[in-house]
Amino acid sequence: GAVVSQHPSRVICKSGTSVKIECRSLDFQATTMFWYRQFPKQSLMLMATSNEGSKATYEQGVEKDKFLINHASLTLSTLTVTSAHPEDSSFYICSASKGSGNQPQHFGDGTRLSIL
Amino acid sequence: GESVGLHLPTLSVQEGDNSIINCAYSNSASDYFIWYKQESGKGPQFIIDIRSNMDKRQGQRVTVLLNKTVKHLSLQIAATQPGDSAVYFCAEIYTGANSKLTFGKGITLSVRP
Repeated sequence: GAVVSQHPSRVICKSGTSVKIECRSLDFQATTMFWYRQFPKQSLMLMATSNEGSKATYEQGVEKDKFLINHASLTLSTLTVTSAHPEDSSFYICSASKGSGNQPQHFGDGTRLSIL
Repeated sequence: GESVGLHLPTLSVQEGDNSIINCAYSNSASDYFIWYKQESGKGPQFIIDIRSNMDKRQGQRVTVLLNKTVKHLSLQIAATQPGDSAVYFCAEIYTGANSKLTFGKGITLSVRP
């Protein structure tokens, strides 16, 4: 149980394009979903936390107008990278949790975003 | 918080040996700890967790030890297999309001056949 699916797994697009990444919890209802960014050889850095039906909470330094997050249901959250540029190229990973902070987060397999 | 480096430390072990991966966490208020395994091109996979009211927890072939006095966490893998080769992250969280999971730097485990 606790499967999280992320789509697409890889995106290559031109600079200026907006890219949407989907994160779905397949076999449980996710009260909270998280979006992380990971650069090569580095750890995961939290970008934002989203709760179903409410606005996402962004970490310091993360532009909310650049990284749009929608959490419309208990099984789906989306991250849209607007007007992407090469510096936005990274590995984006979502996770979902059944409850509050004392529940483990279950991670998707990430989306490799490459902006040309 | 954790500093970020460009090179992850590597632990190389012989297949069949036991592995011990160590982690120093940063927040003395953290009360829930998780070990994740990340294979190349994939997301982190939950391995085992431990709460701060415990100092040891065992799973299948894995054991997590917690020393709150020195803020140290370790993951022991028994009879290490080639499939255990991956990057391992410890993560900590304080389960109070507005808590967030903080990941350690990560350690690469390389298993020699």
